[in-house]
Amino acid sequence: DTEVTQTPKHLVMGMTNKKSLKCEQHMGHRAMYWYKQKAKKPPELMFVYSYEKLSINESVPSRFSPECPNSSLLNLHLHALQPEDSALYLCASSHTEGQANYGYTFGSGTRLTVV
Amino acid sequence: AQSVTQLDSQVPVFEEAPVELRCNYSSSVSVYLFWYVQYPNQGLQLLLKYLSGSTLVKGINGFEAEFNKSQTSFHLRKPSVHISDTAEYFCAADNTDKLIFGTGTRLQVFP
Repeated sequence: DTEVTQTPKHLVMGMTNKKSLKCEQHMGHRAMYWYKQKAKKPPELMFVYSYEKLSINESVPSRFSPECPNSSLLNLHLHALQPEDSALYLCASSHTEGQANYGYTFGSGTRLTVV
Repeated sequence: AQSVTQLDSQVPVFEEAPVELRCNYSSSVSVYLFWYVQYPNQGLQLLLKYLSGSTLVKGINGFEAEFNKSQTSFHLRKPSVHISDTAEYFCAADNTDKLIFGTGTRLQVFP
């Protein structure tokens, strides 16, 4: 299995809703990432988990709450989002060994629309 | 601070013509460099990567890139493009645990 699987592919939610995005990989990767991508822009890093611990939070608002239940799963819990949070949310994983990083694998993303 | 620059926001080209997408990086330490392609409404697919060794890197779909340390460049090339190569291309660099993207180049292939 060489894929990162993201569900759902599309999500429409109201500003008072609570929803979660899910990401799963079975490649034995020990680092997992959440990126946010607005239209016609590059992905922007949100969170990094390394060995199931949060290692980087790029000053993301608290209405986004990441969770890493185990080494294969990464969730992003959403609450009280704003319309400007509408974007493509990408999950990625990587196999990190010392200082070498052998590349990142991206999922196909969740297209989120906040209404 | 590390940064990645893609000078061309759009590159129009006719089918079967060669193409080069430019990428420059700035870093004071060794970097790992990547090219990703993104088709409409999809995630990112890795085209190729440079970690070490040979400076000419071959990737999928006939693409290749050359790492040039003196010019801090990692340009992507393809000798003959197809309509299906129309997509957004991102150059990225990583020297810690973060992947930094360039702003992207829209490759538009015309028949």
